[in-house]
Amino acid sequence: DIQMTQSPSSLSASVGDRVIITCRASQSVGHYVNWYQQKPGKAPKLLIYLTSSLQSGVPLRFSGTGSGTDFTLAISSLQPEDFGTYYCQQTYSTLLTFGQGTRLEIK
Amino acid sequence: EVQLLESGGRLVRPGGSLRLSCGASGITFAAFGMSWVRQAPGKGLEWVSGISETGHSTYYADSVKDRFTISRDNSKNTLYLQMRSLRVEDTATYYCAKAMSGSVVVVPPGSDTPQSLTVANTFDYWGQGTLVTVSS
Repeated sequence: DIQMTQSPSSLSASVGDRVIITCRASQSVGHYVNWYQQKPGKAPKLLIYLTSSLQSGVPLRFSGTGSGTDFTLAISSLQPEDFGTYYCQQTYSTLLTFGQGTRLEIK
Repeated sequence: EVQLLESGGRLVRPGGSLRLSCGASGITFAAFGMSWVRQAPGKGLEWVSGISETGHSTYYADSVKDRFTISRDNSKNTLYLQMRSLRVEDTATYYCAKAMSGSVVVVPPGSDTPQSLTVANTFDYWGQGTLVTVSS
């Protein structure tokens, strides 16, 4: 299976900060990486697909980049509603895998 | 409005069986692949199983292969997960998730060449989840 490793596991940032979350794949996954946001007690929400395509309705402060094995999710100006846990997912293999998650707390 | 509604979760003894259902509305169900994704209490997301639009192709995580069976009834707009030989470590909230369809032309970062990439395993809608607890 392809392993997806996120860093950091958790972070705390202030409103207005730029936040970067990284995801590393154990082998090349091309551009087949998605990012989801999950809030406590809720289902995950798709933010970005195919590395950098913004899902409809997602604010423009979210962006993604990368290729091969290294990917990043950026939040350009953190807002209070951006708290939650963020997961990367690879869809290169039919055996889909998620990263372990990055918990984002607002200071 | 797209809605996915899971049901069937409950307390079950180790070694027992359970069938989960996911009813879909607001979509042409037969046009989309579907998956089950689970989340153990306080843990991350784990993809469990996926099924193609027609049901002819199915996929399983190693952790559930030979114990779980995914299926669908497109006439009833319903996805199923039959779970057998349940283990304590199968305790989780089980989500059904709808996959996007087809391919999208994108210009990947760092490139100026458009590429057609499949979105077949990208989940754009999720249910609210159903809790399965395996305990003696």
